[in-house]
Amino acid sequence: GAGVSQSPSNKVTEKGKDVELRCDPISGHTALYWYRQRLGQGLEFLIYFQGNSAPDKSGLPSDRFSAERTGESVSTLTIQRTQQEDSAVYLCASSAGTASYEQYFGPGTRLTVT
Amino acid sequence: AQSVTQLGSHVSVSEGALVLLRCNYSSSVPPYLFWYVQYPNQGLQLLLKYTTGATLVKGINGFEAEFKKSETSFHLTKPSAHMSDAAEYFCAVRNTGGFKTIFGAGTRLFVKA
Repeated sequence: GAGVSQSPSNKVTEKGKDVELRCDPISGHTALYWYRQRLGQGLEFLIYFQGNSAPDKSGLPSDRFSAERTGESVSTLTIQRTQQEDSAVYLCASSAGTASYEQYFGPGTRLTVT
Repeated sequence: AQSVTQLGSHVSVSEGALVLLRCNYSSSVPPYLFWYVQYPNQGLQLLLKYTTGATLVKGINGFEAEFKKSETSFHLTKPSAHMSDAAEYFCAVRNTGGFKTIFGAGTRLFVKA
């Protein structure tokens, strides 16, 4: 079956522009996660969805970051007024449930802010 | 607060040698523990996980890890390295009943012929 997909795979944008990143989870997966991976660093948790609600948004770096999810389907991560420090790979993962269930990761979106 | 420490950002072994990637965690409650692997130009995939039961867990591609509560460790091992094992490995921890997963900074494994 299809895995987690993300689009675009690469995005180059100018400082100050808004960007929207998309994640399509595995069908039937109720949980969806967004992470940020800066070059040479580990994964930084951003936000988690259970269904279309986000119980914990504390990982979002600033109010320029927002995310939404439609039902138990597509999610979008929006970054407004991008800054150079936003350059990173943004990873999405989905899971059949929480806690002990493994996460299935998408290939990521590489964002470069010039 | 939970945290994960992976000792060594880079590890280099010869083909056929033992692979040992170290992971220590801090958690106020017994956690769930995971190892993920990221091959070049690919997404992360699960190698193995510890949730409950046997503390020695076996994963894909001959890897295994042992949960040692007294040492708060979850080191990853493989008896004999293959060239195809060259990748980046991430240790992760999650509270039981929780959802937030904390990842280590990663260890890049190099395998020499």
